[in-house]
Amino acid sequence: DGGITQSPKYLFRKEGQNVTLSCEQNLNHDAMYWYRQDPGQGLRLIYYSQIVNDFQKGDIAEGYSVSREKKESFPLTVTSAQKNPTAFYLCASRRSGQSNQPQHFGDGTRLSIL
Amino acid sequence: GQQLNQSPQSMFIQEGEDVSMNCTSSSIFNTWLWYKQEPGEGPVLLIALYKAGELTSNGRLTAQFGITRKDSFLNISASIPSDVGIYFCAGQLYGNNDMRFGAGTRLTVKP
Repeated sequence: DGGITQSPKYLFRKEGQNVTLSCEQNLNHDAMYWYRQDPGQGLRLIYYSQIVNDFQKGDIAEGYSVSREKKESFPLTVTSAQKNPTAFYLCASRRSGQSNQPQHFGDGTRLSIL
Repeated sequence: GQQLNQSPQSMFIQEGEDVSMNCTSSSIFNTWLWYKQEPGEGPVLLIALYKAGELTSNGRLTAQFGITRKDSFLNISASIPSDVGIYFCAGQLYGNNDMRFGAGTRLTVKP
């Protein structure tokens, strides 16, 4: 089945630790996105990538890093510099080239602090 | 970045009732989208609107793209318990690479 797979579903981070969230898609989409979701708020954009080996900061990139070495993969690292990392993280992708194509989402990773 | 104003924040309704929620923005968008999110899952696309004035249905759901391009509404008719969830609106600008989201409307349906 085509889709977006995020793993793990739940992740715990210790103080001072970096953790990496996985996002894989087999939809052949060029563009991929990472969002953070906090209770009672809309989704906020962390990073996005339009093509392999290129990515751009979103609204809340500080304390996060990404890579895009393969079209189907866009991992997000939550670094120790992110002081309030507890949130639900959502990965999305869409077909680019047609600017108004909607984004489709994975099922998210919930990150908590130990 | 600018977020959208979505209302109401939450709704508690009886099964069978109709529901209406809306989203407004101070900026125009080329595309309006409505998503539904259930607990512990990612948002699922319900309806996409691409043209000002467009009215689109998906089963019991109907959404409209406002004429001013700064607003959209979503109606759900004859609600059922599985309609429970959080509904998000999103606006997208042509050529832009991200979407702006409303804070969501949490819908509870009492049987």
